[in-house]
Amino acid sequence: KAGVTQTPRYLIKTRGQQVTLSCSPISGHRSVSWYQQTPGQGLQFLFEYFSETQRNKGNFPGRFSGRQFSNSRSEMNVSTLELGDSALYLCASSYLQGNTEAFFGQGTRLTVV
Amino acid sequence: TQLLEQSPQFLSIQEGENLTVYCNSSSVFSSLQWYRQEPGEGPVLLVTVVTGGEVKKLKRLTFQFGDARKDSSLHITAAQPGDTGLYLCAGGLAGKSTFGDGTTLTVKP
Repeated sequence: KAGVTQTPRYLIKTRGQQVTLSCSPISGHRSVSWYQQTPGQGLQFLFEYFSETQRNKGNFPGRFSGRQFSNSRSEMNVSTLELGDSALYLCASSYLQGNTEAFFGQGTRLTVV
Repeated sequence: TQLLEQSPQFLSIQEGENLTVYCNSSSVFSSLQWYRQEPGEGPVLLVTVVTGGEVKKLKRLTFQFGDARKDSSLHITAAQPGDTGLYLCAGGLAGKSTFGDGTTLTVKP
């Protein structure tokens, strides 16, 4: 079966702009989690959605938001981009909520200039 | 404060050598996962350990969960260049996933 699909793979944005990233989980998985990965901070948990509801949130400012649709696809939005938002954004899907046994997409590499 | 501490941070070895990397915490986890991540890709799940003292083998990789479920180790026998990557451990606390900073392993031919 198809894995986790993230689009786009690469993105370059200017400071102050906003960006929307998309994630399609494995068929049948209802949990989608988002992570930010940078060389200095490692893999940081952003939030988890399960059945269209945000279930958990990491320590990120309100500029980072997300949503999940009825087909379990999820989007993540970052507004008023800052240089420090440059990172690899990873989406992970799992069958159960709060399950760290997850399957990751290839990520979206966001560069803010 | 990092909930999951991984060591060493970097490891560079020759093909054929053995190695062990560690994942330690002061917290008790119901389960721990190990992932391997290659540059520009997402992490790939290798194994989940659940029971204290549990040992799982995946070809040349041996994973152990500590008796108190606070730590885990990954041992690789006769490392190969294809083992090169970032090895991450992960666990869940209060419904949130937490990852260690990882061990970057380089295996030279």
